[in-house]
Amino acid sequence: GQNIDQPTEMTATEGAIVQINCTYQTSGFNGLFWYQQHAGEAPTFLSYNVLDGLEEKGRFSSFLSRSKGYSYLLLKELQMKDSASYLCAVRDSNYQLIWGAGTKLIIKP
Amino acid sequence: IAGITQAPTSQILAAGRRMTLRCTQDMRHNAMYWYRQDLGLGLRLIHYSNTAGTTGKGEVPDGYSVSRANTDDFPLTLASAVPSQTSVYFCASSEQAGGTDTQYFGPGTRLTVL
Repeated sequence: GQNIDQPTEMTATEGAIVQINCTYQTSGFNGLFWYQQHAGEAPTFLSYNVLDGLEEKGRFSSFLSRSKGYSYLLLKELQMKDSASYLCAVRDSNYQLIWGAGTKLIIKP
Repeated sequence: IAGITQAPTSQILAAGRRMTLRCTQDMRHNAMYWYRQDLGLGLRLIHYSNTAGTTGKGEVPDGYSVSRANTDDFPLTLASAVPSQTSVYFCASSEQAGGTDTQYFGPGTRLTVL
């Protein structure tokens, strides 16, 4: 079966750095996405990785290791508005997105 | 403003009733998707359409049907609603069905079936 694993919840302090991990087992791999979802809102796109390595975009970076079936999202200089759920999704061999359950990130002052 | 709209925003429905959730996008995207999101579970694909005139089944299609008569609209119909269909439903679209194309999501419809 196909499986995406993420921690259910994480807590971090405003101004700090947090790393959200995602491991996956899917039938094929055609890219990995990270989305942000604030409570009661729609998911919004954050990043896309298809090759191994780090992709940096402002305060957010995403890393991929295809051989390990592993990715992480790194958030720096945390702000209160970063309190949200972070969804990891993998595009499989049928080009469908398989979604993790999401990691709820709580930011404390 | 370009994007995806969904209607209604929320709905309470009696079991056994028929319901159509509407989705419209104005980005001229070829591919559209319907997902449901339940607490503790990832988004699950119900149906998809790679281009106007074609549809396909996702992970959880039973009890749902879709049509794609044109590029912009992708309605989702529950023929006879059951309580297990209580969920938040998201419509999404992408320029193409594969590649690096990002999926963009509508605001969602919160459906409660009693």
